[in-house]
Amino acid sequence: EAQVTQNPRYLITVTGKKLTVTCSQNMNHEYMSWYRQDPGLGLRQIYYSMNVEVTDKGDVPEGYKVSRKEKRNFPLILESPSPNQTSLYFCASSSDRGDSPLHFGNGTRLTVT
Amino acid sequence: DQQVKQNSPSLSVQEGRISILNCDYTNSMFDYFLWYKKYPAEGPTFLISISSIKDKNEDGRFTVFLNKSAKHLSLHIVPSQPGDSAVYFCAASAITGANSKLTFGKGITLSVRP
Repeated sequence: EAQVTQNPRYLITVTGKKLTVTCSQNMNHEYMSWYRQDPGLGLRQIYYSMNVEVTDKGDVPEGYKVSRKEKRNFPLILESPSPNQTSLYFCASSSDRGDSPLHFGNGTRLTVT
Repeated sequence: DQQVKQNSPSLSVQEGRISILNCDYTNSMFDYFLWYKKYPAEGPTFLISISSIKDKNEDGRFTVFLNKSAKHLSLHIVPSQPGDSAVYFCAASAITGANSKLTFGKGITLSVRP
């Protein structure tokens, strides 16, 4: 089954404790991205990657890092999480065809206390 | 400054009736528009799209209308079904198919009453 898999689904952590949210897709997609969803703000892009070793900032990249060492994986790293990073995070992927829609994972709900 | 606006946070309609979800945009460079649907505890899923060269695109019960002069698009669902109850996100891009440049609205929660 074609899918984008995020782990963990839920995470509670404390301020300053480094964490990684993993994202993997099995569709051989070139493009991958991370979004956060907050009440009243919709979906905002954090980082994206057009292909292996190619990453770029989205609209809200502060406090986040990403890497794209393999085509299927695109982890999101919070080196020193803060309470304002409490949010619902989505990973997404698509092929680089012009009309290809995004495929989203089921989300990771992160709480930073 | 929000470039894609979904000003109504929620909409409630009776099963079998039409649902009309509205979306406005401010960036005149946007030329590709999409709707995504999201159920609780799941990620958004693609629903329908429209290019600026068209004013209408239809897929089964779902039709998207685009009014470029008014910078307005709408999603019509006819007939509405209880399974359509979800959050609907409008998204826009200045480059057709460039997912890296998608801008999303805040979303509208649709409730379809049996």
